[in-house]
Formats: sequence, C-alpha cells, structure tokens
Amino acid sequence: EAQVTQNPRYLITVTGKKLTVTCSQNMNHEYMSWYRQDPGLGLRQIYYSMNVEVTDKGDVPEGYKVSRKEKRNFPLILESPSPNQTSLYFCASSLQTPGQQFFGPGTRLTVL
Amino acid sequence: AQSVTQPDIHITVSEGASLELRCNYSYGATPYLFWYVQSPGQGLQLLLKYFSGDTLVQGIKGFEAEFKRSQSSFNLRKPSVHWSDAAEYFCAQGGSEKLVFGKGTKLTVNP
Repeated sequence: EAQVTQNPRYLITVTGKKLTVTCSQNMNHEYMSWYRQDPGLGLRQIYYSMNVEVTDKGDVPEGYKVSRKEKRNFPLILESPSPNQTSLYFCASSLQTPGQQFFGPGTRLTVL
Repeated sequence: AQSVTQPDIHITVSEGASLELRCNYSYGATPYLFWYVQSPGQGLQLLLKYFSGDTLVQGIKGFEAEFKRSQSSFNLRKPSVHWSDAAEYFCAQGGSEKLVFGKGTKLTVNP
C-alpha cells in the first residue's frame, strides 16, 4: 500500500531534550516536506527536500533540522525543543512539485 | 510571495443543503491549485486539483471546484452536503518548490 508513515504518532517531552520524528514513504517520491499545523494558522511549511541531499527552508524553519540521506526517509530533528514547538506535525511527499502531496497521519508533539 | 486566502473560518450548513467554500490565490499565470480535507484527528486527503484545461474540476466525494482566473478564485462546491462532510477544508496553491496553504475553513453540518 502506498503510504507515508510517521513515528511516533504522539510524543510528550520536556524542554531541551533532543528528539527526532521519522518520516518514510514507499512511493519513490522525489519531493518531501514537513509542515506544522496550529489552530487558526493552517499548515506552515518547515523544511522541504527536492531530492536526496537537497533540502531547503520553508516558512518556519527556526528550531528544526532535517536530513535527506535516502530517497524514502526525511526525518525532522528538534535539537532543543521548546514549548512553542508544541504542534501537530505532518510529513508529505509527492512525485514532483508542484503535484499532489500525500500526507502522513501526523505526529502530535507536546513540549513541557 | 504566494498566499492563499480562505475568507470563511467557520461555516455551518444543514444536511442536504448546498455548499460553497471560498478560496482566493495570490498570483500565477498558471496556478496549480488543490483542495484538501482533514477529518477530525486525521491527516489530509486530496479532494481535487487543477493544473490546466477545463476550469470545472470534479473530485472525490461529490465535490467540484471552479477555477476563475479573472477573480483569482478556486471555490469548492457540493450540491448536497452529508453529515460525514463535517471536517476542515484547506485550499492550497503549488509553486515550483512548495505548497502554500490557506488557513482552512471548518465545516459544521447540522442534522
């Protein structure tokens, strides 16, 4: 089944404790992206990747890192999480951009 | 910079009534436009997309949208709403590097 998977789905952590949210797609898509969703703000792009080893900042990249060492994986790294990073995070992929993006199920992160 | 505006934050309709959700995009001679739906606690699902050609596009679940270049709009419509359509709807515009989303319209359906 074609899908985008994210792990974990739910995470509660404390300020400053490094964490990684994994994202994997099995559709051989070149383009992958991370978004955060906050009430009243819609989805805002954090980082995106056009292909392996090619990543770029989206609209809200501060406090986040990403890597794209393999085509299928695009982990989101929070080196020192802060409470303002409490949010719902979505990973998405598409064959190319612009194109239909397939979204993962989301990761709800709470930073205390 | 690209921007997508959904003027209505929340809309309430009765089951069986018609629905129109508004979306305006900022610019682009040939905009790539999408409507996504997010049911409570779920991820986003594509309803329909417009790249070129016929300005009236059909999507899943009985939805359609009409692209109007003169109005920079891409409004979503459904002739008869079902209770299961209650969700949040996002309009998005695709560029060469990313997808820009509107802030969403939450749809409530009354029985």
